[in-house]
Amino acid sequence: ELKVEQNPLFLSMQEGKNYTIYCNYSTTSDRLYWYRQDPGKSLESLFVLLSNGAVKQEGRLMASLDTKARLSTLHITAAVHDLSATYFCASGSDSNYQLIWGAGTKLIIKP
Amino acid sequence: NAGVTQTPKFQVLKTGQSMTLQCAQDMNHNSMYWYRQDPGMGLRLIYYSASEGTTDKGEVPNGYNVSRLNKREFSLRLESAAPSQTSVYFCAARGFARNTIYFGEGSWLTVV
Repeated sequence: ELKVEQNPLFLSMQEGKNYTIYCNYSTTSDRLYWYRQDPGKSLESLFVLLSNGAVKQEGRLMASLDTKARLSTLHITAAVHDLSATYFCASGSDSNYQLIWGAGTKLIIKP
Repeated sequence: NAGVTQTPKFQVLKTGQSMTLQCAQDMNHNSMYWYRQDPGMGLRLIYYSASEGTTDKGEVPNGYNVSRLNKREFSLRLESAAPSQTSVYFCAARGFARNTIYFGEGSWLTVV
């Protein structure tokens, strides 16, 4: 079965702390997506990781991809309240039009 | 640049009624998708269209039909709505390079 598993599914943390969200995938994939969703809103693209060892950073968020371990991580540095949202990862490939989505990680950052 | 536009944004249907969700993209992307998202869950693929003139079933196609009218438009039809189809529906478009996927704002559908 093709699967993408995220953990944790829920995370409550204090501002200023660091944390990592994990995304394990079982598919043969050549790209990994990270998206953010605010309550009642659409999904916003954060990162697309295309190769083993890829690392991308935007502000306090950094995503990495290890294709051998079939693992991607989304690291949050010195969290701020505005990063509170649900984060989704999805696995895809150039040869397959379908994406496999994780269940999402709901992140709450307390001031 | 509107990106992906969905209509309607909100709709309440009675069981057994039919309706069509409309989606249009102005990015000249080949692939388009319809997803549903239920509370506290991720996205489940209903149907997708790899290119104009083609459509394929996704994970949860039962109770739905789609039409890829042209490259811009991809509609989702509920022929006989059921309460289990109460959900938020997202249309998405993906370019030739298959990198970023752009989502519409979502359509909140309630079937009573």
